[in-house]
Parts: sequence; C-alpha cells; structure tokens
Amino acid sequence: KNQVEQSPQSLIILEGKNCTLQCNYTVSPFSNLRWYKQDTGRGPVSLTIMTFSENTKSNGRYTATLDADTKQSSLHITASQLSDSASYICVVGGSYQLTFGKGTKLSVIP
Amino acid sequence: SQTIHQWPATLVQPVGSPLSLECTVEGTSNPNLYWYRQAAGRGLQLLFYSVGIGQISSEVPQNLSASRPQDRQFILSSKKLLLSDSGFYLCAWSVRVDTEAFFGQGTRLTVV
Repeated sequence: KNQVEQSPQSLIILEGKNCTLQCNYTVSPFSNLRWYKQDTGRGPVSLTIMTFSENTKSNGRYTATLDADTKQSSLHITASQLSDSASYICVVGGSYQLTFGKGTKLSVIP
Repeated sequence: SQTIHQWPATLVQPVGSPLSLECTVEGTSNPNLYWYRQAAGRGLQLLFYSVGIGQISSEVPQNLSASRPQDRQFILSSKKLLLSDSGFYLCAWSVRVDTEAFFGQGTRLTVV
C-alpha cells in the first residue's frame, strides 16, 4: 500500500530560526516527490518538485532533499518568517496518482 | 498564464440535498483534472481524476460523482449529501500525471 509519513505532526519555532521537516514514503512506482505549502483554508501551493535523479532543490529559503534509496525527503526552512506558518505537505507521485502525507503544521512565533 | 477557479468558497447544505461544485481552468488545453477531499486532520484523498472530456476515473466509491462536460471544466456532484461528506474539497490540474499539480482555493462544505 502506498503511504507517505510526515514528521513531526506539528512544530513551533521562533521567528528567524531554521527547521527541518521529514517525509518517508513507500510509493511504487516512484515518479516524483513534491512539497506543498498550505495556508489554513486555502489550496496547497507548490514549493518544489523532484524526480528520482535529483538530490536537492531550492526555492528561496526552502530547500528540499531526496534520498531515493532510503525513500526519505526533508524540507529545510532557513531564517523562518511569520508568514511561513502553514501546513507543509509531502506528496509522492506514482504511476497515475499522487499520495499525500498528512502534513506538518508549522507555527512561527515572534 | 494558467489559472484555476473553484467555487463556491464555502457551502452549508442540509443532509439529503444535492451538491454541485464547479472547477474551471484557463490558459491550457487538455489538462489532467482532479478532485480531492481533505477531512479535518487528514491528508488529501483523491476522489476523481480525468484525462479528457467525458473520461472520469473514480478512486473511492461513494455517493459522489464527477463529470467533465468541457475540456477545462470539472464538476463534482451528489444527489443526496451525507453528514460524512463534510470536508474541504480541492480541484487541481496538471499537464501530465508526472508534472506539477496546481490547486484551486478549495470549497469548505459543511453538511448539517
């Protein structure tokens, strides 16, 4: 069964600090891995998308890594801002559908 | 540029009433279209996807249905809503299944 597990479920950090979110997956066949940011009550917005051959991809203060051997990915947020408060969802693309993690809820406090 | 429109943003419907949520995409042709539901505290669940007009695949059997009457229009329907149909419904599109998916702003449905 295809699964995407994210940790931690929730995280509270001080503004300006860095944090790392984790994603482990068991999806086969694997096509790509995406990280989305979802503000409360809004649709998810794509941050990064990586294929099998990519180990890391950055989008501003967001850096995603992918280890296809261990089936793990991480999203690192540098110098967090209050606007980073949101749910971060790891999504793995398979042969014909996407498998979503339940997300990590990040709260950045002043 | 491509845009996706989804409406309404919020909806409160009584049990047993019908449902129609609409999603349209602009700026692209023959997109893959998707309907997802996000229940509270849970991840997104794929309900339906479509690779072309009139082509609908259902991932989860339930009292919901989907239709694609036009290339860039995707409709989610129900004849009789259940309390368990409450949730956050998201429409999305992509060029192909292995490319980036773009989401609409979602519809918060509350069945009372």
